[in-house]
Parts: sequence; structure tokens; C-alpha cells
Amino acid sequence: DGGITQSPKYLFRKEGQNVTLSCEQNLNHDAMYWYRQDPGQGLRLIYYSQIVNDFQKGDIAEGYSVSREKKESFPLTVTSAQKNPTAFYLCASSRNTQYEQYFGPGTRLTVT
Amino acid sequence: LAKTTQPISMDSYEGQEVNITCSHNNIATNDYITWYQQFPSQGPRFIIQGYKTKVTNEVASLFIPADRKSSTLSLPRVSLSDTAVYYCLVGPHGEAGNMLTFGGGTRLMVKP
Repeated sequence: DGGITQSPKYLFRKEGQNVTLSCEQNLNHDAMYWYRQDPGQGLRLIYYSQIVNDFQKGDIAEGYSVSREKKESFPLTVTSAQKNPTAFYLCASSRNTQYEQYFGPGTRLTVT
Repeated sequence: LAKTTQPISMDSYEGQEVNITCSHNNIATNDYITWYQQFPSQGPRFIIQGYKTKVTNEVASLFIPADRKSSTLSLPRVSLSDTAVYYCLVGPHGEAGNMLTFGGGTRLMVKP
């Protein structure tokens, strides 16, 4: 059963703590992406990776970090430097950047 | 980077055909047009992609005039389950950064 998974679905943290969001895919896709979505808004690209051990900043990378040590995994760390971390975070993957993206179910992060 | 403009919202009734137009006056020669659908608290889902003229799949049709400065997503005989946000993206194949800008989208409400 192929797909892209994100965990957890809901995450609560205290201000000042770093938190890591998980994203795993078994679609054998080379490219992976992280987006942030605020209520009533569109998606904004945080980071993307076209291949293992390589990634690029998107439009709003400040306060976030990623790694791509394995093809299947692309975890996102929301650091304490991110001023407004509460949001809905979506991970996606695609065969490569020429093909459509498949999205995970998302993680809703609340920081208080 | 080609900017897109879509209506913020649209209303329709079950069984009607819905046409959502996206303007992209600055579209480049190697840009493709892609549409995604998003339900609340879920990741977007790819609907259709095209370069020129008309593309049709089992879900929708995409009409692109000769000048490519706009495109129209056509949903035949909508049902209540088609209530969602629809995003139009424009960008070149193979260049991840340019393909990945989701604007605010069009909120379609289908009424009984």
C-alpha cells in the first residue's frame, strides 16, 4: 500500500522548544517537499529536496531545518527561531520535479 | 515566475458544470499549467495538467487558449463532494522552485 505518511496528526509544544515533524514515503519518489498552510491561506513552500543529501530553501525557510539522509524520509524541524510556528504542515513527494506531487495528510502544530 | 489570479470563491449547485478560470498573463514559453484540489484539513490532490489546447481526464477538463494567458478548469456535473479549494499553478517542468507556488485558490461551494 504505497503512500506518504506524516506523524503525528496533531502536535502541541511549548514556545522555545524545537520540534521535528516526520514525513515518510514508499513511492520511490526522488523529490520531497515541505509546505506550511495558515488558516484560509494557500500553501507556502518551506524546503524541497530533489535528491538524497541535497535540499533547497523555499519561500519561507527561516526558522526551519530539514535533512534528507534517506530517499524515503524528509523530516522537518521547527526551531525556536520560527516566530509563528502554529500552522498546518504538509509534506509532499513526486517522482521528480517534472511530475505531480502527492501530499501527506498533514500535521497540525500548535505552539503555546 | 508567472503570477496567477483566480476568483476567491464560487458557488454552484449539484449537477451543474463549473468553470474556474485562472489568469496568468506572464506565462513563459516552457511553463505548464497544473490544477490541484484541496479538502479541509487534507493535503492537495493533483487534478490535471496541460500545456496548450485541451486536456481531459476522468475528473476534469482543462482548456487553454492559443495565447495561454489564461486557463479554465471545467468540472462536469458537480456534486456536494466537489466542495473544496482549487489551486492553479504555473511553472516550468523540471524547475521545482517555480512550480511550487500555491496562491489562495478558489473556494468552490456546491449546494444541494
